[in-house]
Amino acid sequence: GAVVSQHPSWVICKSGTSVKIECRSLDFQATTMFWYRQFPKQSLMLMATSNEGSKATYEQGVEKDKFLINHASLTLSTLTVTSAHPEDSSFYICSAAGGLNEQFFGPGTRLTVL
Amino acid sequence: AQSVTQLDSHVSVSEGTPVLLRCNYSSSYSPSLFWYVQHPNKGLQLLLKYTSAATLVKGINGFEAEFKKSETSFHLTKPSAHMSDAAEYFCVVSGPSNTGKLIFGQGTTLQVKP
Repeated sequence: GAVVSQHPSWVICKSGTSVKIECRSLDFQATTMFWYRQFPKQSLMLMATSNEGSKATYEQGVEKDKFLINHASLTLSTLTVTSAHPEDSSFYICSAAGGLNEQFFGPGTRLTVL
Repeated sequence: AQSVTQLDSHVSVSEGTPVLLRCNYSSSYSPSLFWYVQHPNKGLQLLLKYTSAATLVKGINGFEAEFKKSETSFHLTKPSAHMSDAAEYFCVVSGPSNTGKLIFGQGTTLQVKP
């Protein structure tokens, strides 16, 4: 099956710093990638839809200036958490669309902000 | 609008006994429905999907689900639980058509006792 990777898998940072998370589709091209956030023992909440070469579409309530998304190529999307604070600590998961209604998920990135 | 409700937050079964994880959905059009499994510290894995073909869908690892339009349900079953089935399970419905979005249920934790 299609493989999606995320890097890093785990990151700890100080409050006020920015963190970049990469999402790559390793063996297929993905015009659309999605970013989710998952709090402990909770479900996945869609943050934004990222389309290659265009601006991301953010879900209601998600701060676009805080969560910067770039989808510069068909195999790479990045999520940058700017000026991170402890409440941004979470599990961030990306997925890449491999076709209609088919998404392949990355393993996730655990962000801890001290 | 589309939504999905997983009726049990936690299910506990003994190894070798049947598994039933319940899911109800709401959709203003004919949806695609999915079940994903999430093992600790691992990415989401697709178990099976329904896309308006056969109502009984067979997935990986012996799991299957039946789409019942009259009951708006898509329950996941397995005849005999294995210890390795212990994980978090998510029922997912497709979002508005042509967006590729997925809407996740709250998740059901499956515990398998020896």
